[in-house]
Amino acid sequence: GAVVSQHPSRVICKSGTSVKIECRSLDFQATTMFWYRQFPKQSLMLMATSNEGSKATYEQGVEKDKFLINHASLTLSTLTVASAHPEDSSFYICSARGSSNEKLFFGSGTQLSVL
Amino acid sequence: GNSVTQMEGPVTLSEEAFLTINCTYTATGYPSLFWYVQYPGEGLQLLLKATKADDKGSNKGFEATYRKETTSFHLEKGSVQVSDSAVYFCARGGATNKLIFGTGTLLAVQP
Repeated sequence: GAVVSQHPSRVICKSGTSVKIECRSLDFQATTMFWYRQFPKQSLMLMATSNEGSKATYEQGVEKDKFLINHASLTLSTLTVASAHPEDSSFYICSARGSSNEKLFFGSGTQLSVL
Repeated sequence: GNSVTQMEGPVTLSEEAFLTINCTYTATGYPSLFWYVQYPGEGLQLLLKATKADDKGSNKGFEATYRKETTSFHLEKGSVQVSDSAVYFCARGGATNKLIFGTGTLLAVQP
């Protein structure tokens, strides 16, 4: 089946630094990618939806200047957490889909810890 | 608030035990319902789904029935194996093909 590669799987950084997370579709063209975040004991929450070549659509309450999403090609989307702070520590997961009726494929997630 | 509620884990069972992981949802209308599974170190994978009331989704011995009366989609398996140890996420379809997830339930099956 289709594979989505997400890395890094874990990152620890100091407060104030920026962190980039990559999400790649390995054997299909991802027209749409989704970024989720999960805080401990809470639901996996959708942060934003990105379509290749256009600006991402952010969910209510998600700061677009804080969570920068780039979907410049059909196989790569990146999420950059700008000037990360401890409250940004969370588990981030990407998912990708080829077309609106196709299955959704998920990355394995990135655990971000901001000290 | 969250519109998908699933039982809190971890759930620890012995091999061959019966499994139930409860999931309830709130929604207007009748959304599609899903169970996803995440094995250690891997991405979430679709386990099964049901698209309308009274549908039963099934895969790998797991089953879940779409119950509109109780707005539930409980996951069941008659005899779990150690290889079923994973995190299970209940989800419902939302607007514009988005998915709304529960918190996930960690299942640990001991030999």
